[in-house]
Amino acid sequence: EVQLVQSGAEVKKPGESLKISCKGSGYSFTSHWIVWVRQMPGKGLEWMGIIYPYDSEIRYSPSFQGRVTMSVDKSISTAYLQWGSLEASDTAIYYCARLPEGLYNWFDTWGQGTLVTVSS
Amino acid sequence: QSVLTQPPSASGTPGQRVTISCSGSSSNIGSNTLNWYQQLPGTAPKLLIYNNNQRPSGVPDRFSGSKSGTSASLAISGLQSEDEADYYCAAWDDSLNGYVFGPGTKVSVL
Repeated sequence: EVQLVQSGAEVKKPGESLKISCKGSGYSFTSHWIVWVRQMPGKGLEWMGIIYPYDSEIRYSPSFQGRVTMSVDKSISTAYLQWGSLEASDTAIYYCARLPEGLYNWFDTWGQGTLVTVSS
Repeated sequence: QSVLTQPPSASGTPGQRVTISCSGSSSNIGSNTLNWYQQLPGTAPKLLIYNNNQRPSGVPDRFSGSKSGTSASLAISGLQSEDEADYYCAAWDDSLNGYVFGPGTKVSVL
């Protein structure tokens, strides 16, 4: 069974750093693009960027470029999303999802989401 | 302001047919596959329709998708209470070089 399991909820203060994870299983992790999607409280879905685990090719949404960093550790089939300095506006649920084939397509498997709360 | 346009809400009584529209442009819906995601309350989104009109295994056939030009629609036939959810359309946008989501449509079962 293809699965993406994300790390648990986080509560942070403004200015702190954070790295959340998304572990893939049941498929060849390096062969499928992984996307990150933000959902702010009560709002819709926003595409943040996409990473190809095989060679770490990354494409960021302009809205998130410079604010977050995406990476992978192929040895443990895990993708990461990190912030160097959190802001209150980063409070949201963050989802990772997998593309079944190539780019430009759909997201067939989603992680359960990681709730990030940033508050002083 | 979303690149894709959806109505904010739709509703129907059990058994009715509900249709949700998704409007875009030549750089997204007009040239790439249009996909639909269902998000039940408090849960992660789930792929509902892919490649314009294909249903993943396990998705009931009362859900159907269509696309024409720069617009698409999702139809729910025989509406059921468990269909109460938010529905999002999404596609790759060649001009933005990234994915775009519609703002979502909240479906209520009266």
